[in-house]
Amino acid sequence: AQSVTQPDIHITVSEGASLELRCNYSYGATPYLFWYVQSPGQGLQLLLKYFSGDTLVQGIKGFEAEFKRSQSSFNLRKPSVHWSDAAEYFCAVGARPGAGSYQLTFGKGTKLSVIP
Amino acid sequence: GAGVSQTPSNKVTEKGKYVELRCDPISGHTALYWYRQSLGQGPEFLIYFQGTGAADDSGLPNDRFFAVRPEGSVSTLKIQRTERGDSAVYLCASSLGQPTGANVLTFGAGSRLTVL
Repeated sequence: AQSVTQPDIHITVSEGASLELRCNYSYGATPYLFWYVQSPGQGLQLLLKYFSGDTLVQGIKGFEAEFKRSQSSFNLRKPSVHWSDAAEYFCAVGARPGAGSYQLTFGKGTKLSVIP
Repeated sequence: GAGVSQTPSNKVTEKGKYVELRCDPISGHTALYWYRQSLGQGPEFLIYFQGTGAADDSGLPNDRFFAVRPEGSVSTLKIQRTERGDSAVYLCASSLGQPTGANVLTFGAGSRLTVL
């Protein structure tokens, strides 16, 4: 069964500083990988996804993520954080065709606080 | 509609009562998902519909939970004999319905259920 670990429950950064949120997954092959963001009272919004090809993927709001097969990781990065980035971030994995599963498996999330 | 709509946004009920939560997906999206997000956790898969049928209900925790989608659009999640442990945010998502984990889900804002 697939699983996702986000080791950091809460991260605080200063506005303008760089950010890296960690995500490790467990899956028998290369899964589909996603990062979602959830602001208070809002639904989850897709930031970016990795299906295949270039292991560095660009997303919305200046975010990027790098897939590293050897480390089973898909860490999210942003070079300069804005106060509006304060939210909760979820990494998720989806199974490849033939696995008989259509569900996404989410990590427990990392809450990001931004200091002005 | 433009997005996924969920009603009610908040529901407070007493232990043992019956509740219904409604989801109106994006027009044209054939796939519909229900997830449950407990406090401090990531979303957990409950059920997936492709059209009118439940293609995967493996995430429903027990037989008190049931979901329908009679016309392939609006879905209702039904919870009988509610328990305090059912308190959570229930998220609905829809997608164009590729039968793989590559579906890009659009989430609603959720229905927060509190069981007293």
